[in-house]
Amino acid sequence: DTAVSQTPKYLVTQMGNDKSIKCEQNLGHDTMYWYKQDSKKFLKIMFSYNNKELIINETVPNRFSPKSPDKAHLNLHINSLELGDSAVYFCASSQVGGRASNEQFFGPGTRLTVL
Amino acid sequence: GDSVTQMEGPVTLSEEAFLTINCTYTATGYPSLFWYVQYPGEGLQLLLKATKADDKGSNKGFEATYRKETTSFHLEKGSVQVSDSAVYFCALGGSQGNLIFGKGTKLSVKP
Repeated sequence: DTAVSQTPKYLVTQMGNDKSIKCEQNLGHDTMYWYKQDSKKFLKIMFSYNNKELIINETVPNRFSPKSPDKAHLNLHINSLELGDSAVYFCASSQVGGRASNEQFFGPGTRLTVL
Repeated sequence: GDSVTQMEGPVTLSEEAFLTINCTYTATGYPSLFWYVQYPGEGLQLLLKATKADDKGSNKGFEATYRKETTSFHLEKGSVQVSDSAVYFCALGGSQGNLIFGKGTKLSVKP
């Protein structure tokens, strides 16, 4: 069984479209994250949710909206896609124990290409 | 704010060579430190971690020691294999539970 799964794996779309990426974890963790990896492989936190409550919201355009229907799911909806949104988006989960002492488990990533 | 600096790549080595990838950090308090590995086309996997000063994390022949005095967590392996070719990320545990990553170091091992 996959611990952290994301769909779709690849997403190619036109500028201006709206798209969603879904993430699910079956580890029983209470915290989930979205990270963005740019073309130079740099990884940066976008959002984190703890038990459906938003904890971290980095300086991400408000075109990006995370939604957590329950603690096993964290979806990412992106409005009005721009060329600069092209990246690989990773979902992760962990059982937070103070200052991220615990391992985060990552999904396989969603490669978003905006044309 | 908290940050991680790791050596720029790419690093190209011959099989069985010794590997060191340097990583230093800036943080308030004593964060947990991690090395993650990303194989081509895949997500990130935890390679090893250390949660307090002088801890040594180890896995698959890789080692790193949490050095508080030098704020470092260098990754080492005595004899690399072609299958170790990947991108390696040093990271620290942020105060809000997130991970703060270095820029990644691409390792290529030639037979």
